[in-house]
Amino acid sequence: SQWGEENLQALSIQEGEDVTMNCSYKTYTTVVHWYRQDSGRGPALIILIRSNEREKRSGRLRATLDTSSQSSSLSITAAQCEDTAVYFCATDLSSSFSKLVFGQGTSLSVVP
Amino acid sequence: DMKVTQMPRYLIKRMGENVLLECGQDMSHETMYWYRQDPGLGLQLIYISYDVDSNSEGDIPKGYRVSRKKREHFSLILDSAKTNQTSVYFCASSFPGGAEVFFGKGTRLTVV
Repeated sequence: SQWGEENLQALSIQEGEDVTMNCSYKTYTTVVHWYRQDSGRGPALIILIRSNEREKRSGRLRATLDTSSQSSSLSITAAQCEDTAVYFCATDLSSSFSKLVFGQGTSLSVVP
Repeated sequence: DMKVTQMPRYLIKRMGENVLLECGQDMSHETMYWYRQDPGLGLQLIYISYDVDSNSEGDIPKGYRVSRKKREHFSLILDSAKTNQTSVYFCASSFPGGAEVFFGKGTRLTVV
């Protein structure tokens, strides 16, 4: 498998809390994608972070990438109920083409 | 309008029947993918296509074949469907080289 075993499967937090999801991978990659999947829909990209970027922000989202430890994280600040979804990290195993391989995902539930 | 369209959305087939899942995209993406998603397993790559008639096996190609005769269209074929092929199938597309991958809404296939 491409993935470490510490990637968390499910989280439940209260609205307003901050949350961080971690992802570790085994094969070198130059880019990590973070996708969000809402129930009954296909995944949608929320942040893409490349190996020359240690951190990337988008609104309340913050992604980090540490190529030396082959790990990435996604943090959500002040989570809202609408952040409830499954979050996947994915690595691109090809430098020339896109061959995206997904982790198992973290199911995040944000409750009022 | 950037879109990946999958047809049909829901399908019930008997074991041993042939299944055709169709996918189209309007973004002129060279790369297209077929994934399946099962509970707790994330998305598993079945086949990847780098352009017309340039297809490559993913991680779980057994029992599947694909066809890409036009850049905008990618089909997944199950010859003699099996019950363990019951799953949700996602088609996706992207430009090459680590770019964002766009997903369709999925096809829920049940093989009885």
